[in-house]
Amino acid sequence: GQNIDQPTEMTATEGAIVQINCTYQTSGFNGLFWYQQHAGEAPTFLSYNVLDGLEEKGRFSSFLSRSKGYSYLLLKELQMKDSASYLCAVRDTRNTGFQKLVFGTGTRLLVSP
Amino acid sequence: GAGVSQSPSNKVTEKGKDVELRCDPISGHTALYWYRQSLGQGLEFLIYFQGNSAPDKSGLPSDRFSAERTGGSVSTLTIQRTQQEDSAVYLCASSFLMGQGYSGANVLTFGAGSRLTVL
Repeated sequence: GQNIDQPTEMTATEGAIVQINCTYQTSGFNGLFWYQQHAGEAPTFLSYNVLDGLEEKGRFSSFLSRSKGYSYLLLKELQMKDSASYLCAVRDTRNTGFQKLVFGTGTRLLVSP
Repeated sequence: GAGVSQSPSNKVTEKGKDVELRCDPISGHTALYWYRQSLGQGLEFLIYFQGNSAPDKSGLPSDRFSAERTGGSVSTLTIQRTQQEDSAVYLCASSFLMGQGYSGANVLTFGAGSRLTVL
């Protein structure tokens, strides 16, 4: 089966650091994605991890541990515009070339002044 | 075009009517996906097209749902005899095939979605 879990909602203060966790159980694994989705808008790509470790991209970093089925998205120096939903998605590959992305329900982050 | 284009952006229909939702993917992207997002829920996979291969329809919730992709480009998602539980935002995304594009990650680029409301 496929199961991806994230906290439903988180709050943080402008300028702070927040960590959004994601745990997954999928029948196949070939990469984990984080997407950002502002209310009423399309999801946009943030990061991709396929090997264990930390990927850093500016204020955003993403970590993966395949043995633990665990990832987190770290947002530093939070800004008001970071208020959005953050979607964790696993590429569940059953055969070469097919790459269904299975999404979690998303974590709604509210950044306050 | 520069991005994934979906139409209509909003559709209100009566229960029992048929609806068609259209997706125009990024030029050169050979993979196309349809997802559904209900209020407060995650993205639910519906169907996947890859080049000229048979589509993966494993996510379609019932036989009232169908999709086609003509000429390897534009896709249409059709919902027949709509029900109230079909109300959701229908998102289309496209990407290169695995092994092409950015580091093999095959990032999905999403359209803005079609919001369907069934009264």
